[in-house]
This record gives sequence, C-alpha cells and structure tokens, in this order.
Amino acid sequence: NAGVTQTPKFQVLKTGQSMTLQCAQDMNHNSMYWYRQDPGMGLRLIYYSASEGTTDKGEVPNGYNVSRLNKREFSLRLESAAPSQTSVYFCASSDILRGSGNTEAFFGQGTRLTVV
Amino acid sequence: AQSVTQPDIHITVSEGASLELRCNYSYGATPYLFWYVQSPGQGLQLLLKYFSGDTLVQGIKGFEAEFKRSQSSFNLRKPSVHWSDAAEYFCAVGPYSGGYQKVTFGTGTKLQVIP
Repeated sequence: NAGVTQTPKFQVLKTGQSMTLQCAQDMNHNSMYWYRQDPGMGLRLIYYSASEGTTDKGEVPNGYNVSRLNKREFSLRLESAAPSQTSVYFCASSDILRGSGNTEAFFGQGTRLTVV
Repeated sequence: AQSVTQPDIHITVSEGASLELRCNYSYGATPYLFWYVQSPGQGLQLLLKYFSGDTLVQGIKGFEAEFKRSQSSFNLRKPSVHWSDAAEYFCAVGPYSGGYQKVTFGTGTKLQVIP
C-alpha cells in the first residue's frame, strides 16, 4: 500500500512563480487535507475537501487554491509564490465511518518548498 | 476556542530511560485526543487516540497515554526509550467526528535520544 503520495519532495521557486503540489491517496478515503508546517507552529490547515466535489478553506488559505480532481487526488496551487510560503507542506486523508468517529489520518511524506 | 499546549519544545533522554511528554488541551466538549509521531523526513503517523473508556490507552511502538480530565491533560509515556524513538511528537484535539478540519495540533515536542 502506497498510502498518501506527494510530489515533488523538494522545490525551490522564485518569488512570483507558480506551481502545483500533487497529492494522491489509494485508501478510498472521502476526506483530504493540505497542511503547512512551520517551526514552532505545528500543523496549520490550508484547505480541505470533505468529499469529492467539495473544497473549503482552512485556517491559512490566502495565496493558495486547491482542486479535488477525483476521489484519489487533491492538488494545491500557489499562483504567485511569496517568501512567506516557504514551508513544508503535507497532504493527508481520512475517513468518517457511519456510527463511528474520525479514523486515523494518513499523511504524505511532505514537500519542502523554498521561495527565494 | 480549542487549543493544545505542548510545553516542552525539546526533550533529551538517555536510551533505556523512561519518557513522558506533556500535553494540555482546552476543549468545550468531550475531546477526541491523539498523539502523532513524525520521524525525520517523514509524514505524521498515529501513535494512539482516546475518546472514552479506560483512561490509560495503549498505542503502537510501546507508547501509552493517560487522560486526566481534571487536569485537561493527555500525557504520552514510554517505559524505556529506544534510539529509534528520536522524532517529533504532536498532540492533537478535536471532536469525535466531522473530519480533521476541526482537529487542532500542538506545536510539537522534539525528542532526542542519547546513547
């Protein structure tokens, strides 16, 4: 089982450039998430998709857009990168079982993005 | 608003020694509590979770955590640390259901293990 796969693993961008981070999960989960991780700040939610066809803003959505391409794939786009977007980005997926609580969230290995 | 506090940013322990990582939370209803571990260069992995039942919960890799409602704490423990436990540990709190968009993660505790 691959779990959650993110590409690329590393990326350096110049200020103003755009890029898309890709994420795919093979666990048939309904919900997918994008987080950023900064030193001393833990994980902060950027956007999420509770189910295929829906997306919603999280805590820090400014400067980002997302697309839930299908049930497996959830991409994050930076339209005009800024140095403040230098961070490690994680994609995650989880499910909600009827009559039960939140299942374990599975995380990708992360994308380390530097904006210069 | 809900919150999680992990008061120790870094902890260093000797291999074979016991470990306790602290977590305090603030939550307006019955909390669903988690501990996740992040090994270097990896994503987060669930160690254990707690919502109800026995307040001492067992997880993977020999970890356990104790829920203390009166202290709003959910501390993680391990009796004997191995070098492979060096990682960053995150406590999290949220509702029982509704997805991880409502889960708040702490800022993490980085564990160093010395021989």
